[in-house]
Amino acid sequence: EVQLVESGGGLVQPGGSLRLSCAASGLTISSNDMHWVRQPAGRGLEWVAAIGPAGDTYHAGSVRGRFTISRETVKNSLYLQMNSLTDGDTAVYYCTRRAHDAFDIWGQGTVVTVSS
Amino acid sequence: QSVLTQPPSMSAAPGQKVTISCSGNSYNIGNNYVSWYQQLPGTAPRLLIYENNKRPSGIPDRFSGSKSGTSATLGITGLQTGDEADYYCGTWDSSLGARVFGGGTKLTVL
Repeated sequence: EVQLVESGGGLVQPGGSLRLSCAASGLTISSNDMHWVRQPAGRGLEWVAAIGPAGDTYHAGSVRGRFTISRETVKNSLYLQMNSLTDGDTAVYYCTRRAHDAFDIWGQGTVVTVSS
Repeated sequence: QSVLTQPPSMSAAPGQKVTISCSGNSYNIGNNYVSWYQQLPGTAPRLLIYENNKRPSGIPDRFSGSKSGTSATLGITGLQTGDEADYYCGTWDSSLGARVFGGGTKLTVL
């Protein structure tokens, strides 16, 4: 069974940092187009970042320079390093795979709360 | 404000049909594939439609997708109470260089 499991969310103060992880099973992270998508409570989906099979990375304008997507082949895991967090970054963060130009596999999400 | 425009809410009776619209422009829907997602309360999104009108395995044929110009539509027939959810459209936007989503449509089956 293909599964993505996020972790690393929590409560952090404004200006702080957090690193999210996404562990994959039944799927090889480094062979796939992997993304982070977030959803503030009660609101819609927002694309955050992507990393392609070749290691090319892309970040949404709202997080560029603050967030960094990466992966670790040995651990078959995806990461999102988040720095200089603001309350606008409060959301559920999902790890997802893009295939056939759509997000076909999603994790259960991890909650990030930025508050003093 | 979302790049793609969806009606915030819709409602229909069980057994009826509903169509949810998603409007964009030539930089997104007009020249890229559209996908649709269902999000039941408290759960992660689930892919319903990819490449405008294709269904992943396991998605019933009550769900259908279409695209014309800069708009796309999700159709759901034979509505069931279990279809109550938020529905999102998504695509690539070449002017933004980003994946984009609609604001979501909350479907009520009553």
